[in-house]
Amino acid sequence: EAQVTQNPRYLITVTGKKLTVTCSQNMNHEYMSWYRQDPGLGLRQIYYSMNVEVTDKGDVPEGYKVSRKEKRNFPLILESPSPNQTSLYFCASSYDRAEDTGELFFGEGSRLTVL
Amino acid sequence: AQKITQTQPGMFVQEKEAVTLDCTYDTSDPSYGLFWYKQPSSGEMIFLIYQGSYDQQNATEGRYSLNFQKARKSANLVISASQLGDSAMYFCAMRSFTGRRALTFGSGTRLQVQP
Repeated sequence: EAQVTQNPRYLITVTGKKLTVTCSQNMNHEYMSWYRQDPGLGLRQIYYSMNVEVTDKGDVPEGYKVSRKEKRNFPLILESPSPNQTSLYFCASSYDRAEDTGELFFGEGSRLTVL
Repeated sequence: AQKITQTQPGMFVQEKEAVTLDCTYDTSDPSYGLFWYKQPSSGEMIFLIYQGSYDQQNATEGRYSLNFQKARKSANLVISASQLGDSAMYFCAMRSFTGRRALTFGSGTRLQVQP
């Protein structure tokens, strides 16, 4: 089954304790991206990757890191989480071919609470 | 920069009636795609419908249709014969086919279908 898998789905942590949210896709997609969703703001892009070893900032990258060492994985790293990073996080992927619509396939979301 | 505007924070509709969710967008890109996603209370993002900027005809997918008016930069979602299961948050989004190819989301419309 084609899917984007995120872990953990739910996490409560404390300020300053490093954490990683994993994301893996099995569709051989070139493009991967992280979004955060906050009430009234829709989804905003944090980081994206066009392919292996190619990453770049989205609209709200502060406080986050990513890496793309393998095509299928795109982890999101919070080196020193703060309460304003409490949010619902989505990983998404898509093909990056001219003939595609560019539909993004989303993971199920990871709800993070930073105390 | 791209921008998506959804002016209806919440909508009510009676079961079996049709409803239109508004979406306007702004972009300087000549080529782009427009998407609608549904987010039920369980949180996952479900792709509903896609419209390419060069598509001549409005997109349809079952009970969903996209009323695309390029000159007015609007991409309204029409749901026919509403069902109780349609109660959810709906997001309009746009993706440029150039640059970082981010999917830019509106703030969403919460639809409640009443029996």
